[in-house]
Amino acid sequence: DTGVSQDPRHKITKRGQNVTFRCDPISEHNRLYWYRQTLGQGPEFLTYFQNEAQLEKSRLLSDRFSAERPKGSFSTLEIQRTEQGDSAMYLCASSSLRDLPHYGQYFGPGTRLTVT
Amino acid sequence: GQQVMQIPQYQHVQEGEDFTTYCNSSTTLSNIQWYKQRPGGHPVFLIQLVKSGEVKKQKRLTFQFGEAKKNSSLHITATQTTDVGTYFCALQNSGYSTLTFGKGTMLLVSP
Repeated sequence: DTGVSQDPRHKITKRGQNVTFRCDPISEHNRLYWYRQTLGQGPEFLTYFQNEAQLEKSRLLSDRFSAERPKGSFSTLEIQRTEQGDSAMYLCASSSLRDLPHYGQYFGPGTRLTVT
Repeated sequence: GQQVMQIPQYQHVQEGEDFTTYCNSSTTLSNIQWYKQRPGGHPVFLIQLVKSGEVKKQKRLTFQFGEAKKNSSLHITATQTTDVGTYFCALQNSGYSTLTFGKGTMLLVSP
């Protein structure tokens, strides 16, 4: 399977705990994105990487959120001191500049976070 | 930042009927993308429109980009139950990186 994969698929945590999610993009895709989606809404951009460089972060992103892509391949998203409002589906997507002029993003299955 | 309004929010049709969803922006867009998300699934890229007045077809799906590049539509001819899902339009920023999604149109098709 050469699609985007995410782990875990589901995470239940207690308020105040830290959680970390992993995303493995499509091989050789140099761009990787994190989104958050809540019920009835479209995906909301969080941050994106080109190779290992984090090029943009949403201004709405709390400083409790941090993301890394150390080797330009997989990425992790960490949420510290989780709050109930963090409950959502966290989606990862990847794309390639070599797909020009097609810039579609390929999404993974997501990690559903529930904060109790 | 850029914002997009998508209408309707929800539509329920009988199988065989047509369906259209509209995406409107107050600003001129560089391009627009469309995604489909099945219930319980993740968004799947359908198409990108770039040129003013562009029309693209994928089988029963027809995508249009307005002449002023401020609106777009997705039309499905003769819907099937497999068309069920939420259809999102998404605006891409000028750097061709991040996407701003609309709230989507949820389509329900009854057999």
